[in-house]
Amino acid sequence: QKEVEQDPGPLSVPEGAIVSLNCTYSNSAFQYFMWYRQYSRKGPELLMYTYSSGNKEDGRFTAQVDKSSKYISLFIRDSQPSDSATYLCAMSAGTSYDKVIFGPGTSLSVIP
Amino acid sequence: GAVVSQHPSWVICKSGTSVKIECRSLDFQATTMFWYRQFPKQSLMLMATSNEGSKATYEQGVEKDKFLINHASLTLSTLTVTSAHPEDSSFYICSARDHNKGSEQYFGPGTRLTVT
Repeated sequence: QKEVEQDPGPLSVPEGAIVSLNCTYSNSAFQYFMWYRQYSRKGPELLMYTYSSGNKEDGRFTAQVDKSSKYISLFIRDSQPSDSATYLCAMSAGTSYDKVIFGPGTSLSVIP
Repeated sequence: GAVVSQHPSWVICKSGTSVKIECRSLDFQATTMFWYRQFPKQSLMLMATSNEGSKATYEQGVEKDKFLINHASLTLSTLTVTSAHPEDSSFYICSARDHNKGSEQYFGPGTRLTVT
């Protein structure tokens, strides 16, 4: 079993839809959870950063962490064509020099 | 804030030559830098982790004599691909972390290497 699992998609939605992206993980030591967005041929861009369980909202993006289920989600409201990208979840146990483990990414297309 | 730059953004080199890629943190001190490679439509593969002033830690299967990493200062790390071959053609991305600010990693824009 991989440490972090993520459906690779591709996921295609109409403009304005609510998008739900998810990851599951196996290591209960993970405490820090991140979502990155990567456009084609570009480096990943940090979107959301959360600690432990709970929700965090930033504009159209909401990150949810459920540590009891080892499940994290990213919701995108009112999706736009510019949201079309690959979304990578990432997590870490959180000590200063811990490795960050990335999911394989979900490819999202928002159709105008 | 938290800007990471990479240079060059793309490079084409001949088989057997060496290529150096620079990664700089522009507005923070990067106590740890990471080097990844990414093949088309695949996720990031961690190659090595480097802490300023010490030797890099390479992931299993990554040849340390082929991929030389230097992290000489808190704002600069370099990756040198030695004796490059066509199979080394890939997208190389660095990231940097300031350990005083937790686990966030900030990525550079990547370098596309093509070996002919």
